[in-house]
This record gives sequence, structure tokens and C-alpha cells, in this order.
Amino acid sequence: DQQVKQNSPSLSVQEGRISILNCDYTNSMFDYFLWYKKYPAEGPTFLISISSIKDKNEDGRFTVFLNKSAKHLSLHIVPSQPGDSAVYFCAASALSGSGNTGKLIFGQGTTLQVKP
Amino acid sequence: GAVVSQHPSWVICKSGTSVKIECRSLDFQATTMFWYRQFPKQSLMLMATSNEGSKATYEQGVEKDKFLINHASLTLSTLTVTSAHPEDSSFYICSARDLGGRFYEQYFGPGTRLTVT
Repeated sequence: DQQVKQNSPSLSVQEGRISILNCDYTNSMFDYFLWYKKYPAEGPTFLISISSIKDKNEDGRFTVFLNKSAKHLSLHIVPSQPGDSAVYFCAASALSGSGNTGKLIFGQGTTLQVKP
Repeated sequence: GAVVSQHPSWVICKSGTSVKIECRSLDFQATTMFWYRQFPKQSLMLMATSNEGSKATYEQGVEKDKFLINHASLTLSTLTVTSAHPEDSSFYICSARDLGGRFYEQYFGPGTRLTVT
């Protein structure tokens, strides 16, 4: 039962253009969402997050949008740079649930390639 | 800040032997650490939640007698793969939650590549 899904395994974008990575979730108890970037043979690094009480959070070139009714979130990177090429994971957590440990449920990841 | 290290970064062992992987938070205290496993081109699968001074909480389907977790201090958690078999070959990643930080923030280690021959 995949509670967090990233249906696009890969995405290729030209440098300078916008990259849009999508993520869907099924568990309505999730109230916090995060995006991580991962290079091969390394651990994920935190990019940006959003609480379910918001629908947008922006940090420099990175913006995350949340559509609660559709159980969908997306990460926008603009402008995209070759150094952004990596695997991007979205993750979700149910922070306000009783007895929660803050554990994260990850999607399958999307490999982004930004071409010079 | 918020650096997590793992040791070893890679290990090759023979089938039937045990392997210990260490996860350390270098510049913060972590009452909670998480252990993940990643198969090639797949997601990070949470194996267990490790709490300092208490027993780990394992996710459904994870054998606790095979994957022994010890969280003896606020900066160290260990994962021991006992009687390893080739199907245990994988990339193991730990993360730590900063005791003084935001509840949802986890900092990940660089991972350990385990190959069982």
C-alpha cells in the first residue's frame, strides 16, 4: 500500500526552465510534507517543507504547492540548473496524530535531469 | 550543523556473518533515530524507529531478530544485520531527529552499502 506516490520516475528539463515534480498521497492523516534531494550513494538532504495549514511555501528557487482536496503536492524549481540534477523524494508525516513518532513515509522518487 | 555520520560507508561480508552499522549525530543530540533501507531505484523504506534508552519500534514485515537496533546514547544508534544473506544486500540509511529542533526535521546519514556474498 503506497501511501505516497511519485508517478513520474524521471523528468528532463532544459537549464533555465521550470521543473515541476509531482507527488500524490492517500492518507488524509498526513499533515506535514517534505521534499528531499538525493545523490547516488548519499543520504537525502532536506529541501523544503509545508504544513497542511498552508497551500504554498517558497524558499529561493524552490516552491512547494499543496492541494489538500486533491491530496497532491508539487515542487517547482525555477530556474532549473544543472546542479539540480538528482533524485527528488517527497515525504509525508502525520505529526498531529496521537503517539506519532514523526516518521516519514517516502514516495518512490523522481530523477530530475537538467540539461545545459 | 546537523551532521549525521554512518560507519562503515560500505561493507562486503560473507553469508551467515553479522554486520554492525553505526549511526552518529555529530553536533546534536538525537533521542530518536530512524533506519531506512533502499533498494535500487526504489523508495526509502522505513525499517524501524530507534529511541534512546528503549526498545526500537519495527515496521510491519521487518524481522526484529534479524535487524537488531541499539540506541545506547543520545548520539549513537547501531543496526546489526544478523546472519546476513544475499537478499539483505541493500543501501541502509539512518536519520536522526534533533532533540532541540523541530519535531518533523530529520537529518540523514550518507548511507551504508551492504553486499552479502
